[in-house]
Amino acid sequence: NAGVMQNPRHLVRRRGQEARLRCSPVKGHSHVYWYRQLPEEGLKFMVYLQKENIIDESGMPKERFSAEFPKEGPSILRIQQVVRGDSAAYFCASSPYSDYGYTFGSGTRLTVV
Amino acid sequence: EDQVTQSPEALRLQEGESSSLNCSYTVSGLRGLFWYRQDPGKGPEFLFTLYSAGEEKEKERLKATLTKKESFLHITAPKPEDSATYLCAVQAGGTGGFKTIFGAGTRLFVKA
Repeated sequence: NAGVMQNPRHLVRRRGQEARLRCSPVKGHSHVYWYRQLPEEGLKFMVYLQKENIIDESGMPKERFSAEFPKEGPSILRIQQVVRGDSAAYFCASSPYSDYGYTFGSGTRLTVV
Repeated sequence: EDQVTQSPEALRLQEGESSSLNCSYTVSGLRGLFWYRQDPGKGPEFLFTLYSAGEEKEKERLKATLTKKESFLHITAPKPEDSATYLCAVQAGGTGGFKTIFGAGTRLFVKA
């Protein structure tokens, strides 16, 4: 009974490198969401995807950030040319329907040095 | 603009001392209001969904209620293991699409 699986749990990148964050949703869930959380702050919406489609990316910076949820395999959040301000916890969540409560993963903590 | 505000930011209770957390919201077309619990270093854990004013949900020592402008999470006779950050979130069905917006949370500390 696997929940949402995120990897890696911790990721360290130097400025200018690329970061790839992976998320495998709960089996049978077709809705995937990515959120960013800074210390002592709330969760900020980034992107909402369904299989092979981006439904809402209004919370994602237009440059350097991209997300995908392919027909096969995990959802990927990609950050190119990382900067120190990208350091945060990135959470992925999934749900079986769009108006259901989410199941969250344990997050990936990205540190940019 | 859709907005969620939680109060207080932090709440310290003695074990057994009941209290309530508040979540006020402004959205265009509420599709659902959600409560989550988040422990340090972990992802949020889903607690409740409320869909319409007047609705109530209960789980152990927690009870969530909803009006047209706010929701309350009532904690009855809390225990130290209830210490966590409680997050409120709303999903709007207007032009903002179906994204869920989270409040900043209330950090609850329960002392034995």
